[in-house]
Formats: sequence, structure tokens, C-alpha cells
Amino acid sequence: DTGVSQDPRHKITKRGQNVTFRCDPISEHNRLYWYRQTLGQGPEFLTYFQNEAQLEKSRLLSDRFSAERPKGSFSTLEIQRTEQGDSAMYLCASSPGQGTLGYGYTFGSGTRLTVV
Amino acid sequence: SQKIEQNSEALNIQEGKTATLTCNYTNYSPAYLQWYRQDPGRGPVFLLLIRENEKEKRKERLKVTFDTTLKQSLFHITASQPADSATYLCALDLNTGTASKLTFGTGTRLQVTL
Repeated sequence: DTGVSQDPRHKITKRGQNVTFRCDPISEHNRLYWYRQTLGQGPEFLTYFQNEAQLEKSRLLSDRFSAERPKGSFSTLEIQRTEQGDSAMYLCASSPGQGTLGYGYTFGSGTRLTVV
Repeated sequence: SQKIEQNSEALNIQEGKTATLTCNYTNYSPAYLQWYRQDPGRGPVFLLLIRENEKEKRKERLKVTFDTTLKQSLFHITASQPADSATYLCALDLNTGTASKLTFGTGTRLQVTL
């Protein structure tokens, strides 16, 4: 297990199309996060899973966005009816989760989405 | 409103000098603060974590301080090298009890020249 994998690395889509991204976290990590990052900005939190349960969603996550982690392993992030404002880098991260102890996140290399 | 502020201007420093990056925050009470390095087109890479009851943490050439009174963290790279050139992000972990969720600053770009 070499880290967090994201697929695809790049995606170009036409406005109005649906897209789906996949994230494979580090297998021992039970926490999984999705972030979005635009140029010159820090990553913005989208949603968070503890095992298969989605525990928190940002207000940034409109009803066009949905995320799943069906078996507590890999996760998918789907964007329906894409808009040009959805163009960004979508980052997945995982971390161990034990009570309230803090851990560093391991990020994937991201999926760069361009909506034309 | 809640803010995490990092110098938006790039920091240019000569090789061998110490680079100091600043992270200030308002209206947060973080349990932890973390620093990450990000290279262009890549995801952030975790560097250091410091807890609210710790004043200082070191790792090789890196040092982080955390002052909860001033609401500030300083990140130092000693004996800087051109390979240290990257964007450095600070992130606050509010640790609400149900989730450990990081909120990131906008990052400061560091350029180390020969």
C-alpha cells in the first residue's frame, strides 16, 4: 500500500455532464476526506467519512454533489450537471481515526477537473 | 468571522538562511495545528503536527511554534535549500469530538535561491 490513489488524474468534461472520481485510501485508515482546491487557495473541506458513514458535509457541497464509501474502503465523488465553477482540483485524504487524537492526513495527487 | 491568514506574497530567501512562515487565525480554538508542503499539481504532504498544549515541535530542519494566546504559529526551515521551494499550508484541526477536520489557510509560497 503505497499511499492514497485517485483516479482519474485529469478530467475534461462539457458543462452539464456528470463526472465521477474515485479515491482509494490507505487500507488501515478509517477516516476519508474530500477537499476541493482552486488556484491560489488552500484546500476547502467538502465531506468526511468514518468507515462507511458520511459524518459531515460542507455547505459547499450542493445537491449536485454526492459522495459514497460503500464498504468503508474506496470512495467515489460524483458531480451531476457540472458547471464551469466546478473546475478545480479535487483532493482525497485519509487518516487513522482513534478518538480525539490528531493525525496528519495523507493526500492523494488529486483529480484536476476542467469543465468547458 | 473565522479566518486563517498566511502571507499571500511569496517569500524569497537565499540558500542556507532560515525561512520563517507565519500563520495567524481568528475566532478559532484549535486542538491541533498542522503544516503541509504542496508542490505544483500535487496533493499536500504532511510535515508536522503541534497540539494546543505544546509550545514547540521540531523535526530535522523544521521547527513549529504554537502560541494560543497570540493565535499564531510560526514555521521555520533552517539551512534552507532550493529543494525546499514549495507552497506551505497551515491547517487547523478543531476536533469537535465527532470529527477531526482540517481547515486550511491559503498557503505561502517559498522560493529558495542559490
